[in-house]
Amino acid sequence: DAGVTQSPTHLIKTRGQQVTLRCSPKSGHDTVSWYQQALGQGPQFIFQYYEEEERQRGNFPDRFSGHQFPNYSSELNVNALLLGDSALYLCASNFWDRGDSPLHFGNGTRLTVT
Amino acid sequence: QKEVEQDPGPLSVPEGAIVSLNCTYSNSAFQYFMWYRQYSRKGPELLMYTYSSGNKEDGRFTAQVDKSSKYISLFIRDSQPSDSATYLCAMRYYNTDKLIFGTGTRLQVFP
Repeated sequence: DAGVTQSPTHLIKTRGQQVTLRCSPKSGHDTVSWYQQALGQGPQFIFQYYEEEERQRGNFPDRFSGHQFPNYSSELNVNALLLGDSALYLCASNFWDRGDSPLHFGNGTRLTVT
Repeated sequence: QKEVEQDPGPLSVPEGAIVSLNCTYSNSAFQYFMWYRQYSRKGPELLMYTYSSGNKEDGRFTAQVDKSSKYISLFIRDSQPSDSATYLCAMRYYNTDKLIFGTGTRLQVFP
């Protein structure tokens, strides 16, 4: 049973550049959420996708955008990178229609902005 | 004031000890409560998932929720060096999947 997979595992970018991170949800899951985890902090919610639409968004600027594909996989895009965007980006998946469906996380993409 | 407060530790205990990890929260609207374990360079792994007040046990782990005090706990019995990790509490409202996390408590279990 494949869990949540993310790519790449590590990424180094320069301030001002753009980055795309990818996620495949756990087998059977149809909903994908993205979180940002700064060093020494708990994850913070960025947004959630279901049926290829953004369903909920956290307190992140428009530089953060996403997409969900028909196969439920998802991308997170960040434009005009800032040094403060350096963090571990986590993808999580679950079932949309089950009210008590817990989130399962991938191992994340560690983004370093220099 | 943060919605969820968690002591960052580190907490260092000998092998075999009982570990108590705690979080407090400010919003009584939280309905679902979770504990995740995160090893270094890994994503959070779900340990416990509870809805109501009371205790839930799974092997060496017991999750406790006290909604009247806005306080949740995770107890680890017979702790092992392999339990050394960061433990994150998380919670959410009834009609959303968005999780609010604590900062995590780093636990070290030494042989």
